[in-house]
Amino acid sequence: GENVEQHPSTLSVQEGDSAVIKCTYSDSASNYFPWYKQELGKRPQLIIDIRSNVGEKKDQRIAVTLNKTAKHFSLHITETQPEDSAVYFCAASRGGADGLTFGKGTHLIIQP
Amino acid sequence: GAGVSQTPSNKVTEKGKYVELRCDPISGHTALYWYRQSLGQGPEFLIYFQGTGAADDSGLPNDRFFAVRPEGSVSTLKIQRTERGDSAVYLCASSSGGGTTEAFFGQGTRLTVV
Repeated sequence: GENVEQHPSTLSVQEGDSAVIKCTYSDSASNYFPWYKQELGKRPQLIIDIRSNVGEKKDQRIAVTLNKTAKHFSLHITETQPEDSAVYFCAASRGGADGLTFGKGTHLIIQP
Repeated sequence: GAGVSQTPSNKVTEKGKYVELRCDPISGHTALYWYRQSLGQGPEFLIYFQGTGAADDSGLPNDRFFAVRPEGSVSTLKIQRTERGDSAVYLCASSSGGGTTEAFFGQGTRLTVV
């Protein structure tokens, strides 16, 4: 089955700086890659997703890049703000009847 | 309702007991997923329903776990003979399509087996 590795497990950045979280996946048939943000004690919420037919997608301060050949994808957050502090999960799916396979998460800490 | 609703929010049970966890998906969503999240880990896939049928139950850890969705809406996750290792947050998610459409998560049920 699919295996998703996520790095780093913890990331601390100064407010205003950029943060990058990286994931790799094992199944070349995966074609959907969402990123979820989970605040303490709350539900995961989708912040951005990308499908395998594009290499990059941007939404305001958040961008995701996908390299299908290398089987890795990354989340980029620019101009970080205190409210960006949370645990971020990447995931991959082959679609159809497949559920999402999640990475282990990155705890992002924004230092004031 | 406006979002995915899960009940109860917390459940404490004794080892060996039977528990049922309920999920109310977003109205009209045909796809429903159950995940299990242990402390410090990402959600782990358990089962996927498309309508009333379980399209993929490969994530259920063993035969003590079972889930139903009899009318294609509400789903119940059932755990028999609970063990301490079953303690986790059980998350339900629903989406309007299959695995490449946005999944909306519920708040989860925190199950503690003592």
